[in-house]
Amino acid sequence: EDKVVQSPLSLVVHEGDTVTLNCSYEVTNFRSLLWYKQEKKAPTFLFMLTSSGIEKKSGRLSSILDKKELFSILNITATQTGDSAIYLCAGSKETSGSRLTFGEGTQLTVNP
Amino acid sequence: NAGVTQTPKFRILKIGQSMTLQCTQDMNHNYMYWYRQDPGMGLKLIYYSVGAGITDKGEVPNGYNVSRSTTEDFPLRLELAAPSQTSVYFCATSRGGQPQHFGDGTRLSIL
Repeated sequence: EDKVVQSPLSLVVHEGDTVTLNCSYEVTNFRSLLWYKQEKKAPTFLFMLTSSGIEKKSGRLSSILDKKELFSILNITATQTGDSAIYLCAGSKETSGSRLTFGEGTQLTVNP
Repeated sequence: NAGVTQTPKFRILKIGQSMTLQCTQDMNHNYMYWYRQDPGMGLKLIYYSVGAGITDKGEVPNGYNVSRSTTEDFPLRLELAAPSQTSVYFCATSRGGQPQHFGDGTRLSIL
């Protein structure tokens, strides 16, 4: 059975802090690892990582994948209150319609 | 360009009632998915479709049915609503191998 585990499950920080969110996965026929941000409604796409060791970056957010150790991290530097959200990690399959297996998510709260 | 549209946004059902959650997309994506998200949890896949006329079960299909007669529409049917089906339901679409795009969700309560 495919499994994705995120840690920590919740995190409270102050504005300006740097945070690291962790995601480990066991997905058969693994294709890629995806990160989503979920505020009040729909998850919105952040990153898709297919290759090991190549950092993807978007503003203050960055992410990297280690396919040997089966994990990924999402870093957020200089956090802002607008970063408060649930961050979801998901593993995608090569087969079976590229279906995603999601972790439980990390609830990030950034206090002013 | 609407993307992925889900209706209704909210619904309260009585135990044993049936209903259909609608999902329509205008992105011409072949792949469509239905997820449920329980409080404090990640998303779990109910059913998915790789094209019109083709559907398959996900992790938690019991109590649900789907059909895919067109590329645009992927309705999810609850036949006999049970309290355990109280959840937020998300529809998503993608091109194969590409990130999934989500609708805003349907919040369903069964009392």
